[in-house]
Amino acid sequence: DTEVTQTPKHLVMGMTNKKSLKCEQHMGHRAMYWYKQKAKKPPELMFVYSYEKLSINESVPSRFSPECPNSSLLNLHLHALQPEDSALYLCASSQADRVAEAFFGQGTRLTVV
Amino acid sequence: DAKTTQPPSMDCAEGRAANLPCNHSTISGNEYVYWYRQIHSQGPQYIIHGLKNNETNEMASLIITEDRKSSTLILPHATLRDTAVYYCIARLFGNEKLTFGTGTRLTIIP
Repeated sequence: DTEVTQTPKHLVMGMTNKKSLKCEQHMGHRAMYWYKQKAKKPPELMFVYSYEKLSINESVPSRFSPECPNSSLLNLHLHALQPEDSALYLCASSQADRVAEAFFGQGTRLTVV
Repeated sequence: DAKTTQPPSMDCAEGRAANLPCNHSTISGNEYVYWYRQIHSQGPQYIIHGLKNNETNEMASLIITEDRKSSTLILPHATLRDTAVYYCIARLFGNEKLTFGTGTRLTIIP
């Protein structure tokens, strides 16, 4: 199984809502990532988890809250988002502590209204 | 990680070899060159990576110049399904970050 599964595929939420994005992998990878991608732009790194601990936060606003409950799961909790947060949110995973390729999910298309 | 420079767009005829250049003139000795591509509305897909030797896999070949200041990704027989944005990334060994540049939009022409 070389898949990274993201749910939901599409999400529409209001600015006062709380929602969560979910990412799952069963490749035994111990590094997991969240990226944000706006239309016609490259993916931008948001967070990196290594061995279930947050190792990189790219100065992401606190309305985005990541969580890694175990080595296979990565969540992104969303609260009080703005319309400009509408984007494709991508999850990825890779082996930690080595030069290795990252596997990406298909993303969650988020629209904030 | 070293900055990479790629042409914004390229066209290639179907069935021909697509050669995608990448400049990384400030690359350090322990930075690897990675290539990913992103087909429209999908997540990025790993293609290949290398340090100093040329590399080949079932998807592509990676040619790195001897001074390591540039590289070329070669898709030997391009198909319409190879139409995508191709990203060249220089990544320091052990660096957890994978940072994407603006990439090259490759269009395969029938």
